[in-house]
Amino acid sequence: AQSVSQHNHHVILSEAASLELGCNYSYGGTVNLFWYVQYPGQHLQLLLKYFSGDPLVKGIKGFEAEFIKSKFSFNLRKPSVQWSDTAEYFCAVSGSGGYQKVTFGIGTKLQVIP
Amino acid sequence: EAQVTQNPRYLITVTGKKLTVTCSQNMNHEYMSWYRQDPGLGLRQIYYSMNVEVTDKGDVPEGYKVSRKEKRNFPLILESPSPNQTSLYFCASSLQGGFYGYTFGSGTRLTVV
Repeated sequence: AQSVSQHNHHVILSEAASLELGCNYSYGGTVNLFWYVQYPGQHLQLLLKYFSGDPLVKGIKGFEAEFIKSKFSFNLRKPSVQWSDTAEYFCAVSGSGGYQKVTFGIGTKLQVIP
Repeated sequence: EAQVTQNPRYLITVTGKKLTVTCSQNMNHEYMSWYRQDPGLGLRQIYYSMNVEVTDKGDVPEGYKVSRKEKRNFPLILESPSPNQTSLYFCASSLQGGFYGYTFGSGTRLTVV
């Protein structure tokens, strides 16, 4: 069965600090990987996704993630966070092609202090 | 504007009183899904639909029903709600499978007392 593990459940950073949120997945095949963001009181929005090709994926709002196949990881990074990045971040995995199930991690709450 | 519309946004109900949460998308997406979000558990899939009249159970389907009579609509039905169904519910749609990336609705916060 596929699964996603997000190690940091709550992260507190000061503005301008660098961010890295960990995500490890378990899946026995070719994967598609996602990061979603949920701002306070809002719905989830797609931040970035990896399907194939360049393992370094750039998303919206300056976020990027790197797919490291050998480590089954898809960590999210941002060089300098802003107060407006305060949100909950979800990593997700699905199989590649067809109607594949998407499994979400339990989320990481990021709090950015001005 | 491309969107997934859920109603209502907030709902308080009593145990056993049937309710329906509506979900509609205007993107001609084939795939639609319902998730519930609970603290410490993340998002768990309740039901999904690959197309009209094609639905299947997700990870936590007990106590829920769905139907897909039209491509745009995917209502979630709680025939006899119980307090353990108090949760935040999201409807999501995607072009084909969820692997294309979901568009989520704004959520429905349900409280069953």
